[in-house]
Amino acid sequence: GQQLNQSPQSMFIQEGEDVSMNCTSSSIFNTWLWYKQEPGEGPVLLIALYKAGELTSNGRLTAQFGITRKDSFLNISASIPSDVGIYFCAGRVNNDMRFGAGTRLTVKP
Amino acid sequence: DTAVSQTPKYLVTQMGNDKSIKCEQNLGHDTMYWYKQDSKKFLKIMFSYNNKELIINETVPNRFSPKSPDKAHLNLHINSLELGDSAVYFCASSQVAGYSPLHFGNGTRLTVT
Repeated sequence: GQQLNQSPQSMFIQEGEDVSMNCTSSSIFNTWLWYKQEPGEGPVLLIALYKAGELTSNGRLTAQFGITRKDSFLNISASIPSDVGIYFCAGRVNNDMRFGAGTRLTVKP
Repeated sequence: DTAVSQTPKYLVTQMGNDKSIKCEQNLGHDTMYWYKQDSKKFLKIMFSYNNKELIINETVPNRFSPKSPDKAHLNLHINSLELGDSAVYFCASSQVAGYSPLHFGNGTRLTVT
């Protein structure tokens, strides 16, 4: 099946810094999504992207659906301590949705 | 008013036992899923159901069997549990097939001793 390569695996940043993570695939997806998971909870949807080239923001978060439909990135601006968690990219085609391995974000106050 | 709820949250059992995890969604979605998250946090799809029809069945041992009594429920039954089955299992649902995001439950942490 389609594999998603997500990077970086982990990030340790200072509060206030900007963060960037990305996801690439050898396959085309119809939808790219970004989720955040906190301990003891399920992944929570942050941003959904439906069209190639689409750039969407949600507060301090911005994500883009790559033109080739094989990649996406997520940026977080002015990070705060509550941004801590694991961020997952996901690509969807029909009823199949695949996840990246996650980016573990640590924010130091 | 929980959207996707699964029970139990924690399940500790011995090898060889049979157990079930229940999932219910009140979002009116027509597709439900089961994912397995391993100790490295990797999420892998196990099954999806659309209108009571199994759509995806990845290379999952046949000891795992999804059961959907109606489109709001997708339960996961596991026979003859093994140590390697220890993981967090997530139920999810989505609306229209193909494009809609998945909404996840809070997971069931299964520990097999």
